[in-house]
Amino acid sequence: QSVLTQPPSASGTPGQRVTISCSGSSSNVGVGTVNWYQHLPGTAPKLLIYNSNQRPSGVPDRFSGSKSGTSASLAIGGLQSEDEADYYCATWDDSLKGHVFGTGTKVTVL
Amino acid sequence: EVQLLESGGGLGQPGGSLRLSCAASGFTFSTYAMSWVRQAPGKGLEWVSSINAGSSATYYANSVKGRFTISRDNSKNALYLQMNSLRAEDTAVYYCAKHWDCWGQGTLVTVSS
Repeated sequence: QSVLTQPPSASGTPGQRVTISCSGSSSNVGVGTVNWYQHLPGTAPKLLIYNSNQRPSGVPDRFSGSKSGTSASLAIGGLQSEDEADYYCATWDDSLKGHVFGTGTKVTVL
Repeated sequence: EVQLLESGGGLGQPGGSLRLSCAASGFTFSTYAMSWVRQAPGKGLEWVSSINAGSSATYYANSVKGRFTISRDNSKNALYLQMNSLRAEDTAVYYCAKHWDCWGQGTLVTVSS
């Protein structure tokens, strides 16, 4: 059972903005930075956001991340059909002394 | 181009052992921490184990502690996961990851009699 909670699903029409939350605690999100990954089953997960709000080169600027207190968020602006995937937040947990992933959010483009 | 290629997956017996390997190329392997992450069928991503660049520190999820051992050979640009006392719940696709910007395609481990 993950210590990072995400909504199981999110959806929007093409062009809309979708936001995914990641709720943690003072031992993980509250004290560290958060990464966000996009994952299509059977493929390698792709890093979308690191250090809570930084985009690796090649990731479109319609993906953005933020963090406040013990929660983090990923926003997808201008939703596109190719954004249909599973999205995970991740960080280090000081209490568990290990990395933790969020429960995952399936994004559907209507 | 950074590449990570996992191998060694397959069918394992309950209580048995498997050894996963991850061949790395395209970056200075010896300077990066590495991890194994898995995804069981129909489930989310689960961190399994991490090792620092010089092998002086290793970390394990509670679910595999005492059964799995992570190691690396920087001279061969290779990461390993020795999996002992396998359980049905270890069935998953196992990914190796270069902290934390690049992942392999994964290798499937199935534990069944």
